[in-house]
Amino acid sequence: DADVTQTPRNRITKTGKRIMLECSQTKGHDRMYWYRQDPGLGLRLIYYSFDVKDINKGEISDGYSVSRQAQAKFSLSLESAIPNQTALYFCATSTVGPGYNEQFFGPGTRLTVL
Amino acid sequence: AQTVTQSQPEMSVQEAETVTLSCTYDTSESDYYLFWYKQPPSRQMILVIRQEAYKQQNATENRFSVNFQKAAKSFSLKISDSQLGDAAMYFCAYTNTNAGKSTFGDGTTLTVKP
Repeated sequence: DADVTQTPRNRITKTGKRIMLECSQTKGHDRMYWYRQDPGLGLRLIYYSFDVKDINKGEISDGYSVSRQAQAKFSLSLESAIPNQTALYFCATSTVGPGYNEQFFGPGTRLTVL
Repeated sequence: AQTVTQSQPEMSVQEAETVTLSCTYDTSESDYYLFWYKQPPSRQMILVIRQEAYKQQNATENRFSVNFQKAAKSFSLKISDSQLGDAAMYFCAYTNTNAGKSTFGDGTTLTVKP
């Protein structure tokens, strides 16, 4: 089974709708992240969390909110979706220590806002 | 803020040949990690290689190696004996060890010609 899972894998929604993207991990990592990928722009950080009580904004948090329900679960919400939020969304986890610090990514969610 | 620049949006290489992808970064920190990730058409992000800033020796993983020039803030990826399966988008990433956040470049699309 995959260590980092995302649901749904693909989603089409309409402008103004509320949508939630979910992420679960079995790696036991404390740190979780949400990124957005647009064509030609690489990955940009939306929100990140270092433990259940620690939530931080990334570089493009406007229009998004998150919830860390447990160490293993980190959800991203779009309160009122707009077309320019159409993108590929990735959840990632990481841990710290010598030789670590890389990010482990979920398979991504393709979101289309009409 | 840290920045990561990949100056080559697209590269191509003949099968079995060698190709080098460029990456430069800007930081005032001394403790950090650098990574190369591969994103094939399946869109899954896969770690290729990591480099700890405090290590002078360049990292190597089979056909993949890096040229880490800390003073120049340069971190290039060399792929030897290129294979068709190497075709993908490659992202350079910088992770600030203290802040625990990563910054990604905009990616280089690598095409491998048979």
